[in-house]
This record gives sequence, structure tokens and C-alpha cells, in this order.
Amino acid sequence: GESVGLHLPTLSVQEGDNSIINCAYSNSASDYFIWYKQESGKGPQFIIDIRSNMDKRQGQRVTVLLNKTVKHLSLQIAATQPGDSAVYFCAENIEGNQFYFGTGTSLTVIP
Amino acid sequence: NAGVMQNPRHLVRRRGQEARLRCSPMKGHSHVYWYRQLPEEGLKFMVYLQKENIIDESGMPKERFSAEFPKEGPSILRIQQVVRGDSAAYFCASSLFQGVAFFGQGTRLTVV
Repeated sequence: GESVGLHLPTLSVQEGDNSIINCAYSNSASDYFIWYKQESGKGPQFIIDIRSNMDKRQGQRVTVLLNKTVKHLSLQIAATQPGDSAVYFCAENIEGNQFYFGTGTSLTVIP
Repeated sequence: NAGVMQNPRHLVRRRGQEARLRCSPMKGHSHVYWYRQLPEEGLKFMVYLQKENIIDESGMPKERFSAEFPKEGPSILRIQQVVRGDSAAYFCASSLFQGVAFFGQGTRLTVV
């Protein structure tokens, strides 16, 4: 859903550990989901997407899980690296409509 | 294939002036979205346009803000009579009909 001006949730992990970032989406009719990474001073960068007819999709070091029953999306990052430090947003979409963004989670990787 | 291009990257305006933010979508993309972001906050939807049409402007303030995406040329987000509260980063994204929306690097507007 839309950001309402709250401070970003934060997650700190040790370098080399796995990270799990969670997102609750709002619309049960949403059929397409994207995870974005945003580094300071830059625009959001596409990481991975998933359509509602799937419940899991893997990329390079990243996995997205979709649970439509509870309207929950997660991003798993394997062997987290310092370069993974950023804010991560999930976005939901209904075909032909705008993308709705979650509040975001700030990930800090501790060397 | 260049990505989404936004200009200017930084824009300073005095209160009461007009701000024009430009967005050139990725080649072949006919859908453009504008978002606003305050520091340490998420992306707030403003407007969704297709060529020559506004599809959804539910996130646009009723006054002073307008957007267009002409048949030729970039999409423009226009803010008239800017106030300090308009200071923010404005991001544009483009997509095909349904697919990944790719973002530009944003325009950081500062109103002094």
C-alpha cells in the first residue's frame, strides 16, 4: 500500500548471512509483484518479479516467495554482501493499473 | 537502449516559481508513472499516463500539479507556484502494458 510517512523498518544482518525481507500487500486482485532495491540518492532498481500464478521464483542470489492466501511477499537474499545495503520495496500491480509500493525496509549489512 | 531519463537531476526553485520535470521513457514504453518520495519514506504514487492520456491521477494534488505525456517528446510533471512542502525527489518510471516498471534516477526539487 501507500507509504504513510512512517520511519522505514530496518534489518541488520552479518555479511554472509541470508536476509529475509517481508512485505504485506493490500489488494487480493493484484496479479503481478516486483521487488526493487533503492540505494541512497538513486532511483529504484528492479531485482525480481513474480506473477500471481507462481508461488516462488529464483534469481541470482535472490528468491521471491508469494503467499496469496495471506497476501504476503518475501525477498530472500543469499550470502548477503555489503553492496546489498539499501532500501527494498515491494510493489503490487493489477494489469493495466498503477504500481502500489510498500513502505520499504532498510537493509544494513554488517561487515 | 537507454534507460529512463529524467532531467534535470537537481532543480532549485524559489517559492512561487514553476517547476518542470521531464521524463523520457525507455524506448518502446508507452506507460509512464510519476512518484514522489520524501527522505526516509516510500514512493507515493502521483499519476499514471499513456501516450496523450491520463489514466489515473488519483495521487495528484488537486491544485498546482499537472502532468502530460504527449505523442512526441517526454512526459512532463509541472508544479506551479511551488511551496517549500513540494521539496522532494520525484521519480518517473516506464513500462510496457504490464511488465517491469523501470525507474529513472529522479529529480530532486528544492524550494527555497
